[in-house]
Amino acid sequence: AQSVTQPDIHITVSEGASLELRCNYSYGATPYLFWYVQSPGQGLQLLLKYFSGDTLVQGIKGFEAEFKRSQSSFNLRKPSVHWSDAAEYFCAVLGNEKLTFGTGTRLTIIP
Amino acid sequence: DAGVTQSPTHLIKTRGQHVTLRCSPISGHKSVSWYQQVLGQGPQFIFQYYEKEERGRGNFPDRFSARQFPNYSSELNVNALLLGDSALYLCASSLAYPPGLPEAFFGQGTRLTVV
Repeated sequence: AQSVTQPDIHITVSEGASLELRCNYSYGATPYLFWYVQSPGQGLQLLLKYFSGDTLVQGIKGFEAEFKRSQSSFNLRKPSVHWSDAAEYFCAVLGNEKLTFGTGTRLTIIP
Repeated sequence: DAGVTQSPTHLIKTRGQHVTLRCSPISGHKSVSWYQQVLGQGPQFIFQYYEKEERGRGNFPDRFSARQFPNYSSELNVNALLLGDSALYLCASSLAYPPGLPEAFFGQGTRLTVV
């Protein structure tokens, strides 16, 4: 069975600083990987996805993620965060006909 | 275009009662999935429907059931509600199969509180 680990429960960064959110997955075959963002009380919005090809994928809102098969990782990055990026971020893997999500990382932005 | 719509947005039920949650997928999407998100956790897979057939079921008790209608809308039913069923219930639709390809679109969710 597939699984996703997001080791950081909560991260605080200053506005304008760079950001990296970690994600490790476990899946036997070539994974389909996703990053979603959730604002309080809202549904999930897709930031980016990896299916195959270039291991560095670009998403919306200036986010990017790098797939590293050797490390089973799919870390999310942004060079300069904005106050509006404060939210909960979920990494997910598609396998066995379902999305499996990590427990999420809550991002707080300080002025 | 309308996104995934869920109803109701909030509801409060008493232990032992029954609840029905509804989801309308994006027009043209034939795949609908249901997820339960307990506060502070990631969404957990409950059901997957494609072309009106159940294609997958998560590790949830038989009190949970679902169906998909000819217009591809879906209902999630929960019987004999427990306090632990309190959660945000999310519906997702996608164009292709397996679900989530090329992208899963999520609704705003239904916040269920069991008292």
